[in-house]
Amino acid sequence: GESVGLHLPTLSVQEGDNSIINCAYSNSASDYFIWYKQESGKGPQFIIDIRSNMDKRQGQRVTVLLNKTVKHLSLQIAATQPGDSAVYFCAESYIPTFGRGTSLIVHP
Amino acid sequence: GAVVSQHPSWVICKSGTSVKIECRSLDFQATTMFWYRQFPKQSLMLMATSNEGSKATYEQGVEKDKFLINHASLTLSTLTVTSAHPEDSSFYICSAEGGRVNTEAFFGQGTRLTVV
Repeated sequence: GESVGLHLPTLSVQEGDNSIINCAYSNSASDYFIWYKQESGKGPQFIIDIRSNMDKRQGQRVTVLLNKTVKHLSLQIAATQPGDSAVYFCAESYIPTFGRGTSLIVHP
Repeated sequence: GAVVSQHPSWVICKSGTSVKIECRSLDFQATTMFWYRQFPKQSLMLMATSNEGSKATYEQGVEKDKFLINHASLTLSTLTVTSAHPEDSSFYICSAEGGRVNTEAFFGQGTRLTVV
């Protein structure tokens, strides 16, 4: 199948900074995208989703941006906290197909 | 969100034995469940998709006779690792979706399998 990939394997930020995690997808027909957070030793946890008829969606401290022209997805975390440290995956469709993931490390 | 529960959370077994992992949807009916395997520092790899009452669909490279999947009810799917070997040691995760189009799948907490 077509792939969902991530640009950066590791992102280190200082507590309080904003974080941006990027994701590229290759299936231009995809119409639904999800961001998951996985803490060590746990299953993925839903963060936020976006449908292809939207460019932006905001949640609590998180914003997802979708650029269908270049098939790019990003997750922005405002005022990053140590509890945000985890691996973040983007996935497309309701059958999550995961890319490599980005490890977010938040330094106090 | 909906709750998916896996059991056990961790298990240690001897080589050659079989291990069963359960995945339950606690507050919704899961028409489809998915099984993933995750090795350390790696992403989740989809192993198979199971629909209630029918045979599972396995991804390429996954041995269906080694990883037996049963989805006998709308709230329970099981994965049995048969004749386990140390290389089967991994983190196994299930997810479930309730049949609505384009909604997120809900994940269990995972099962850490160690084969000694």
